[in-house]
Amino acid sequence: GIQVEQSPPDLILQEGANSTLRCNFSDSVNNLQWFHQNPWGQLINLFYIPSGTKQNGRLSATTVATERYSLLYISSSQTTDSGVYFCAVRLNAGGTSYGKLTFGQGTILTVHP
Amino acid sequence: GAGVSQSPSNKVTEKGKDVELRCDPISGHTALYWYRQSLGQGLEFLIYFQGNSAPDKSGLPSDRFSAERTGGSVSTLTIQRTQQEDSAVYLCASSLDARLYGYTFGSGTRLTVV
Repeated sequence: GIQVEQSPPDLILQEGANSTLRCNFSDSVNNLQWFHQNPWGQLINLFYIPSGTKQNGRLSATTVATERYSLLYISSSQTTDSGVYFCAVRLNAGGTSYGKLTFGQGTILTVHP
Repeated sequence: GAGVSQSPSNKVTEKGKDVELRCDPISGHTALYWYRQSLGQGLEFLIYFQGNSAPDKSGLPSDRFSAERTGGSVSTLTIQRTQQEDSAVYLCASSLDARLYGYTFGSGTRLTVV
């Protein structure tokens, strides 16, 4: 199946710092999403970004589908940004697996005040 | 509804008992997914519904696990003869169209088997 690798696995920041999270995937995809899982376990959809660039406040994401990677940028980090960031992709193929999102192992972000 | 609703939010059960977990997707969403997240781990795919049919059941760990969806809406995940290794957070997500749109997740059911 498709492989999804996220880096770094852990990241510790001081409040106000910027960061870049990376997601590499092994095959052609037709969907890529970034999620934030907060300390209470809730998964929040940040971006639906199979290609191109999107911005939402202090967060932005870029997916270069032809090179099989995506980047999530967090600027001016806040303590509330802490949690786990997951990248998830859907294989660009027909058949029974086309609906399924495959998740990376996540990046654990800790922002200190 | 406004979001994906799961119930119960927490469930503690004795080993060997059966449990049912419920998911109410966003109204009009045709695709529904179940995932499992063990402590400190990523998300493990269980099953995917398109309407009432399940084109992909490849993630169900054993025949103790089953799921159904009725009326193209509510889904129930059933675990028979629960084991301690079944302890995890079970997450449900829905999507307007499996091929075109992103997922929205519910808050999950935390299952503890004692």
